This record gives sequence, C-alpha cells and structure tokens, in this order.
Amino acid sequence: ELKVEQNPLFLSMQEGKNYTIYCNYSTTSDRLYWYRQDPGKSLESLFVLLSNGAVKQEGRLMASLDTKARLSTLHITAAVHDLSATYFCAVDGETSGSRLTFGEGTQLTVNP
Amino acid sequence: DGGITQSPKYLFRKEGQNVTLSCEQNLNHDAMYWYRQDPGQGLRLIYYSQIVNDFQKGDIAEGYSVSREKKESFPLTVTSAQKNPTAFYLCASSHIRGLSSYNSPLHFGNGTRLTVT
Repeated sequence: ELKVEQNPLFLSMQEGKNYTIYCNYSTTSDRLYWYRQDPGKSLESLFVLLSNGAVKQEGRLMASLDTKARLSTLHITAAVHDLSATYFCAVDGETSGSRLTFGEGTQLTVNP
Repeated sequence: DGGITQSPKYLFRKEGQNVTLSCEQNLNHDAMYWYRQDPGQGLRLIYYSQIVNDFQKGDIAEGYSVSREKKESFPLTVTSAQKNPTAFYLCASSHIRGLSSYNSPLHFGNGTRLTVT
C-alpha cells in the first residue's frame, strides 16, 4: 500500500523567511504533484514533477523530486502572507493505475 | 470555459436518508474521481472511473455508490450505511494518467459540504 507522509503538518513562519516542506512516499514512483488549498475551497494544482531530479519554480515556490530517495520538497522563499494555505503532495504509484494518494497536508501560516 | 461543476455547495440531511452529490465536467476527461476530506486531514479516495460504465472502489468505498452512464457525469450517492457521512466531498477529473502522453494533474470541483444530523 502506498503511503505518503508530509512534514511538518503545521508551519507558522514570519514574512520574509525561507522554509521547506517535505513529502516522503513509500513505493516507487516518478510522478508527483503539489496542490494548494485555501480554507473551505477546492484544490489548485501547483506543480507536476515527472522525473528524477525534476525542479519546477513559480514565484516564491520551488518544488523538486528525488525518486531514489522517494522524497519531494516544496521550498518557500521570502514568504508573504498570500502564501498562507494548506499544501498537499500527491503520488501516483507505479501499480496504482490512474489514482493518486495524498499526504495529510501542511497547513502554512505566514505572519506579518 | 471548461471545468468541473459540483452541486449543491452545501447539503443537509437527516440520518438514515440517502443523498446524491452531482459532478459534471466538460473537460473531455476520461477519468473521474470522488474524494472525501475531513477537517484538518488529507483526501481519501472513495471511487474512481476511467471509462463510461466502469468504476473501481477506492480506499473508503463502504457506504457509498456511484454510476458512470455518461463521460461527463459521475454522481456519488451517500447511503444510510455510511456511518460518518458528514464531510467535504471533492470530485475531480483527469486524462488517464499512466499513458505515455498524459501525466496531467487532477482538476477539482469546488466541493460539496455535506452535514448529516
């Protein structure tokens, strides 16, 4: 059974600081997705990582994938309040067909 | 504009009643999914379908049923057998991932918040 673990689950940080969210998964995969969810809202796709060493950047967020370590990171640079949200990683396991398994989510709060 | 429409946004039901949540997409996606989200938790897969008239159970299918009579539609019925139905339900769709040309992310609807008392 594919397991996806994120840490930390809760992150409170000051504006202007940097931090990294980690996503570990338990089985072989080379397809990993990051999503953002605002309170009470749906999920918005942020990044699609499809190979070992893949790196994607959008604004203050940068995501990377290390398939050998079964690890993805979401790095936040110089955080701003607008980045406050819950961030989920999701993994497409090789044997799982067309389904994704989600991590528990990291609730990020950026304080002024 | 293409997208996924879930209705209603809020739904209130008495215990013991079945209730059906609607999900329609016009993205021409083959695959559709239903996820459940409880407060402060991640998403858990209920059912998914990759083709019309076919669907598979996810991790928490007990107490739920689905149908896929049309490509665009994937309604979810929460039956009285579901012990804790109060939750936020999210429908999603995608091209079928795993095919060489498709590694698209899931596109999500805006969700239905179901409260059963």
